[in-house]
Amino acid sequence: QSVLTQPPSVSGAPGQRVTISCTGSSSNIGARHDVHWYQQLPGTAPKLLIYGNINRPSGVSARFSGSKSGTSASLAITGLQAEDEADYYCQSYDSSLSGSGVFGGGTKLTVL
Amino acid sequence: QVQLVQSGAEVMQPGASVKVSCQASGYTFTDYYMHWVRQAPGQGLEWMGWINPNSAGTNYAQKFQGRVTMTRDTSISTAYIELNRLRSDDTAVYYCARDTGSSSGAPLYYFDSWGQGTLVTVSS
Repeated sequence: QSVLTQPPSVSGAPGQRVTISCTGSSSNIGARHDVHWYQQLPGTAPKLLIYGNINRPSGVSARFSGSKSGTSASLAITGLQAEDEADYYCQSYDSSLSGSGVFGGGTKLTVL
Repeated sequence: QVQLVQSGAEVMQPGASVKVSCQASGYTFTDYYMHWVRQAPGQGLEWMGWINPNSAGTNYAQKFQGRVTMTRDTSISTAYIELNRLRSDDTAVYYCARDTGSSSGAPLYYFDSWGQGTLVTVSS
């Protein structure tokens, strides 16, 4: 299983708001390491969506936002659109075991 | 614009070794760390390690230590990952991904550019 825990799936109707949680531990998110989020459309490479907990790269819609508190982080998507249907992954750094990148197991977003 | 172009799909026998390449363009190759991430069919992303293209220093995930080697050829702006003693559960798409952190400092462990992925199938 993954070091970071995400719900396997979430869904929402067009126009709605959904959130995806990402729970870690004291050696990653709880150790104040940043959380990043990626969107992966079917058959494509992941795309950076949020970095440094709350920051959007240039070109990413303001409908996507990130937050972090304690040992958890969340990705919120407002005004859901059909094109948002994808897999979403959280990612951080883990300071145990000589340091490593760690991912969540991924969340499949279905737009109803 | 930054581009990472990976080598083509491979089909390997169990116990063999595979080497995947990732050629960078659009930036100075030695300025940024390069990571490798893999994704088994229908599964999530798994971080494998990084290489500092400037110093050739590496950091491998504990799971792969002893079985993985990351190298680079700065003359052709290319990073490589070699995985030995392949097993069926190594079947996956392997991605290279550029770290946003400068190679003169510490990696930031988030990735702003990704290769297109290379499918490695391990089957007898």
